[in-house]
Amino acid sequence: AIQMTQSPSSLSASVGDRVTITCRASQGIRNDLGWYQQKPGKVPKLLIYGASSLQSGVPSRFSGSGSGTDFTLTISSLQPEDFATYYCLQDYAYPRTFGQGTRLEIK
Amino acid sequence: EVQLVESGGGLVQPGGSLTLSCAASGFSFSSSWMTWVRQAPGKGLEWVANIKKDGSGKYYVDSVNGRFTISRDNAKNSLYLQMNSLRAEDTAVYYCARDLSPAPHFDAFDIWGQGTMVTVSS
Repeated sequence: AIQMTQSPSSLSASVGDRVTITCRASQGIRNDLGWYQQKPGKVPKLLIYGASSLQSGVPSRFSGSGSGTDFTLTISSLQPEDFATYYCLQDYAYPRTFGQGTRLEIK
Repeated sequence: EVQLVESGGGLVQPGGSLTLSCAASGFSFSSSWMTWVRQAPGKGLEWVANIKKDGSGKYYVDSVNGRFTISRDNAKNSLYLQMNSLRAEDTAVYYCARDLSPAPHFDAFDIWGQGTMVTVSS
């Protein structure tokens, strides 16, 4: 199975900061990657698919980039509602695999 | 209203069986790939299985292959996950999700149910 490794595992930041989360695949996955946000006690929410396509309704401060093995999720200016856990998911091959998650906390 | 509602979770002994259901409404269920994702307490997300629109193709994570069966009934707008030979490590919240399939080779789980808890314990 393709392994997805996110870094960092946790991150402290302040409102207004620019934040970048990285996801690395154990083999090339083209641009077959999505990003999900999950708040405590809530269901996951789709942010990005196809590595860089913003899901409808998601604020434009979220962006994704990358292809092959290295991908990033960037939040250009953190808002209070963005503090959550973020997961990448590869959909290049079966079984699909999530990264272990990056917990974004308030500094 | 667009929604997915899971049911069927509960407490089961190791080696036991359970069938989860997911009722869809507000979108074209028969036109959608569907997926099960689980999350063990305090842990991350794990993709479990998915199924093609017409049920002709099914895929599983290795740890459940041969024990779990995903199925659907498009006439009833329902998705199922039959779980046999359950183990303690199957304890998790199980979510069903709709795959928006925005492009032929992109998954995009845009609609999620609220989840149903499965606890495997003696």
